[in-house]
Amino acid sequence: GAGVSQTPSNKVTEKGKYVELRCDPISGHTALYWYRQSLGQGPEFLIYFQGTGAADDSGLPNDRFFAVRPEGSVSTLKIQRTERGDSAVYLCASSLGGLGRAQYFGPGTRLTVL
Amino acid sequence: GNSVTQMEGPVTLSEEAFLTINCTYTATGYPSLFWYVQYPGEGLQLLLKATKADDKGSNKGFEATYRKETTSFHLEKGSVQVSDSAVYFCALKGNNAGNMLTFGGGTRLMVKP
Repeated sequence: GAGVSQTPSNKVTEKGKYVELRCDPISGHTALYWYRQSLGQGPEFLIYFQGTGAADDSGLPNDRFFAVRPEGSVSTLKIQRTERGDSAVYLCASSLGGLGRAQYFGPGTRLTVL
Repeated sequence: GNSVTQMEGPVTLSEEAFLTINCTYTATGYPSLFWYVQYPGEGLQLLLKATKADDKGSNKGFEATYRKETTSFHLEKGSVQVSDSAVYFCALKGNNAGNMLTFGGGTRLMVKP
């Protein structure tokens, strides 16, 4: 079946602009996660959805970052007033519910803020 | 908080050599442990996992055993191939409501023919 998809694959924007990154999880997966991966580092957790609600947003770096999942499937990560330090690969993952379930990752969106 | 430490790379091996990538963790309770692999130009893929102490995860010739006494989950392969060249990430998921993965910094493996 189809895996996790993310759009766009690449996004170049100017400092101060607003961007939206989209994630389509695997069908039937109730849990959805956003991570950020800087060059040469492991992914860092941003936010976790169980269904429509954000169950844990403790990884969001500041209030410029926001994410939604209104119908419990597709999710959008929104970044306001982008800064050069926001440049990274943004990864989305989904999983079935329950402890110990593996997360399946999308290909990521590479965001470059000029 | 939870943390994962893995050996820094790059690790350079000749084809058919034995591979070990060390991974140790800090976590409360009984986390689940994972190895993910990122091939050049591709996304993260789950390689193997173990959910309780003494479990051995295995896939594609790779193995890792969950050692609670040493808080380790070292990745091994008996005979590497050029196609195994990639970045390998060790990760844990805590036994709590957060469910997020905590990753190590990644280890780049380069296998030469």
